Amino acid sequence: DAKTTQPNSMESNEEEPVHLPCNHSTISGTDYIHWYRQLPSQGPEYVIHGLTSNVNNRMASLAIAEDRKSSTLILHRATLRDAAVYYCILTKETSGSRLTFGEGTQLTVNP
Amino acid sequence: NAGVTQTPKFRVLKTGQSMTLLCAQDMNHEYMYWYRQDPGMGLRLIHYSVGEGTTAKGEVPDGYNVSRLKKQNFLLGLESAAPSQTSVYFCASSYSWGRGRSKNIQYFGAGTRLSVL
Repeated sequence: DAKTTQPNSMESNEEEPVHLPCNHSTISGTDYIHWYRQLPSQGPEYVIHGLTSNVNNRMASLAIAEDRKSSTLILHRATLRDAAVYYCILTKETSGSRLTFGEGTQLTVNP
Repeated sequence: NAGVTQTPKFRVLKTGQSMTLLCAQDMNHEYMYWYRQDPGMGLRLIHYSVGEGTTAKGEVPDGYNVSRLKKQNFLLGLESAAPSQTSVYFCASSYSWGRGRSKNIQYFGAGTRLSVL
């Protein structure tokens, strides 16, 4: 399975944009890029996913590099509630594929 | 809708005791999963189920058993608890693969914190 590399931690200020990077240089053509986040003492929460094109939803935007070897999760205006561990996960849309969680990026949001 | 509900929320066991963790979902999802999360680590898949009456092993299945007798429920059993099973356990559910839906959009419960002394 292709692996992802994320920074262990990042900091941001409240109401500023946050760009969370993820490297996946060995991604295959059938790998989707999923992002989940885990708030303190809660279960993970789906954020967004994409294959090749950039994606937007009410929570965030996903920017995917043209060669697909990296991607960036963008939170447009960070709030204190966005402080969480963010996981970048590669997975296939086939019956046997699964989510494999790494250690993620701990995002701290300063007031 | 309640989503995914896990019971109990906390439990302390002695080594050798048994227990069952219950997961219930009200979203009519076909797939259900059990994960464990140790401090400072990501989640690891224990067992999963692709439908009522079916189960399969995940990454770390040893020491656990599961059952999916009803579509909405997924039970995780520890027959003889060991200190190494001290962890936070998360249940998740998702739609099945295909039919235009992503099976990888999983909905998680709030977790069960288990300590084995």
